Amino acid sequence: DIQMTQSPSSLSASVGDRVTITCRASQNIDSYLNWYQQKPGKAPKLLIYAASSLQSGVPSRFSGSGSGTDFTLTISSLQPEDLATYYCQQSYSSPRTFGQGTKVEIK
Amino acid sequence: QVQLVESGGGLVKPGGSLRLSCAASGFTFSEHYMSWIRQAPGKGLEWLSHISSSGKTIYYADSVKGRFTISRDNAKNSLYLQMNSLRAEDTAVYYCARGGATGVRIFDIWGQGTMVTVSS
Repeated sequence: DIQMTQSPSSLSASVGDRVTITCRASQNIDSYLNWYQQKPGKAPKLLIYAASSLQSGVPSRFSGSGSGTDFTLTISSLQPEDLATYYCQQSYSSPRTFGQGTKVEIK
Repeated sequence: QVQLVESGGGLVKPGGSLRLSCAASGFTFSEHYMSWIRQAPGKGLEWLSHISSSGKTIYYADSVKGRFTISRDNAKNSLYLQMNSLRAEDTAVYYCARGGATGVRIFDIWGQGTMVTVSS
């Protein structure tokens, strides 16, 4: 199975800050990497697919980059509504696996 | 609108069984792969199983293989998860999620989840 490792596990930032979350795969997954946002008590929501494609309706302050084994989710200007846990997920092979999550808090 | 609604969760004793359902609406259900994903309390996401649009191709995570069975009824726009031999570690919120037409590269629509608690 492909292991997905996110860092950091949690972070606290101020409104307007640039926030970066990294995800590392245990083997090459090309660009088969998705990012999800899960707000407290809610189901996950797809933000970014294929490493860098923005899902319809997602604010443009979210962006993704990377390929191979190293990927990044960036929030260009953190907003109060971005309080959530963010997960990466590989879709290169089965079983589909998720990172352990990064909890984003607002200072 | 595009929607998935899970049902069937509840409290069950270890070794017991439960059948979850996921009702789809707002899209052509029969054209999409579908998956079950769970989240234990305070933990991350774990993909469990997916089924092709026709129902002919099925995959399971090792953690549930032999105990859980995924199925679908395209005439009823419904996805199911039959869970047998339940264990305490199966306690989680169970989500159904929509995949693509040719596979599960993304999970673009999720249900609200249904809670399963396995306890004596």
